[in-house]
Amino acid sequence: NAGVTQTPKFQVLKTGQSMTLQCAQDMNHEYMSWYRQDPGMGLRLIHYSVGAGITDQGEVPNGYNVSRSTTEDFPLRLLSAAPSQTSVYFCATRLTAPYEQYFGPGTRLTVT
Amino acid sequence: ELKVEQNPLFLSMQEGKNYTIYCNYSTTSDRLYWYRQDPGKSLESLFVLLSNGAVKQEGRLMASLDTKARLSTLHITAAVHDLSATYFCAPKTRPDVNQGAQKLVFGQGTRLTINP
Repeated sequence: NAGVTQTPKFQVLKTGQSMTLQCAQDMNHEYMSWYRQDPGMGLRLIHYSVGAGITDQGEVPNGYNVSRSTTEDFPLRLLSAAPSQTSVYFCATRLTAPYEQYFGPGTRLTVT
Repeated sequence: ELKVEQNPLFLSMQEGKNYTIYCNYSTTSDRLYWYRQDPGKSLESLFVLLSNGAVKQEGRLMASLDTKARLSTLHITAAVHDLSATYFCAPKTRPDVNQGAQKLVFGQGTRLTINP
């Protein structure tokens, strides 16, 4: 039981490049979400999904796309990376109740 | 829209002392979570507070929730160096057809440093 896994752990991109951050879970949790963490700003919700085929925007969705074709996977796509997307990205999952979230180890992304 | 404020944002204290971190939130919430984060690491769940008046304790940490005051506290008793970390509170949004699924909204975090 691996819990929540994220790949890669570190990534450096040039402005304008695209990439996909991977998130996978083996806990059969319906709810999955992506957060970004910037210094002094806590965690901000980017996108979330309440089940396969269903996604919605969070607080800071611009510049990011998501899809959820299976319960296990929830990839986050950066279509054209910008320096403002330099951050640490966390994937989280939870059951519908009691809502406690389990976080992946994070991906540290630098855009130059 | 649910907004969360933690204070203090930075706290430096001596081992053996007691202190409290405060988490205020702006709209009604019936559930609140506390997380710990060590530098360069992910978030670790500490407490889930499910109702008004809930109190949970684990070792030197005790968390409480007052939903009427929209306030949660994390109290540290006789601090030790191992408790140095950043602590986040996260109330859950109430069900609302216009807000989508219920979500956790995180405070800015309190960076706690405990000195020998």
